[in-house]
Amino acid sequence: EDQVTQSPEALRLQEGESSSLNCSYTVSGLRGLFWYRQDPGKGPEFLFTLYSAGEEKEKERLKATLTKKESFLHITAPKPEDSATYLCAVQEYTTSARQLTFGSGTQLTVLP
Amino acid sequence: KAGVTQTPRYLIKTRGQQVTLSCSPISGHRSVSWYQQTPGQGLQFLFEYFSETQRNKGNFPGRFSGRQFSNSRSEMNVSTLELGDSALYLCASSLGTVGNQPQHFGDGTRLSIL
Repeated sequence: EDQVTQSPEALRLQEGESSSLNCSYTVSGLRGLFWYRQDPGKGPEFLFTLYSAGEEKEKERLKATLTKKESFLHITAPKPEDSATYLCAVQEYTTSARQLTFGSGTQLTVLP
Repeated sequence: KAGVTQTPRYLIKTRGQQVTLSCSPISGHRSVSWYQQTPGQGLQFLFEYFSETQRNKGNFPGRFSGRQFSNSRSEMNVSTLELGDSALYLCASSLGTVGNQPQHFGDGTRLSIL
C-alpha cells in the first residue's frame, strides 16, 4: 500500500529564514510526485511535478527536489504570503494513472 | 482561463438525505477526479472519470457515486448521508491524455451533516 509521510506537521519561520519540508514515500513504481499549496478555505494549488530521481524544479522562492525515497520542498527567504499548508502526493504506476495519494501536509507559518 | 468550478460552495444536510455536487473542469480537460478532505483522514481519493467512464474508485462505500457527461462536467452523489460524511469535497481535472499530467483542483464543496 502506498504511503506518503510529510514532516514536520507544522513549521513556524521568521520572514527570511530558509528551511525545507520533507515528503517520504513508499510506492512500487513512481509515476510522478506532486507538490501543492493549500490556503484556508481553498482547494490545493498545483506547484510542481517531479518524475525521476535527481530532478529539480524551481518557482520563485520554492525549489522541489526528488530522490528515490523522498522529496524536499526548499523555501528560500520566505515571506508571510508563503504561509499555507503544503501537500505532496504520489502517483503510482500500478494504479489508475490519475489517482493521487496525499500526505497529511505541512502547515507553514511565516512571521513578519 | 477559467479554473475548476464546483457548486454549491456550502451545503447543510441532515442524516439520511442525499446530495448531489457538481464540478465543471477546466476547458479541454477530459479527466475529472473527486477527493474527500477531512481533518482526520486528509485528502482521500473517491473516484475518477474519463470520457464518461469511471476509471478507478477509492475505498468508499457504494453510497458514494458519480457520473460524467459528454462535456466532461461531472456530478457526485452521496445517498443516505451519515454524520461522518461531513467534509470538504474536492474535484480535480486534468487533460487526461497522459497519465502523470498535474491535476488542478477547485475550491470544493463544504458539506455539513446535522
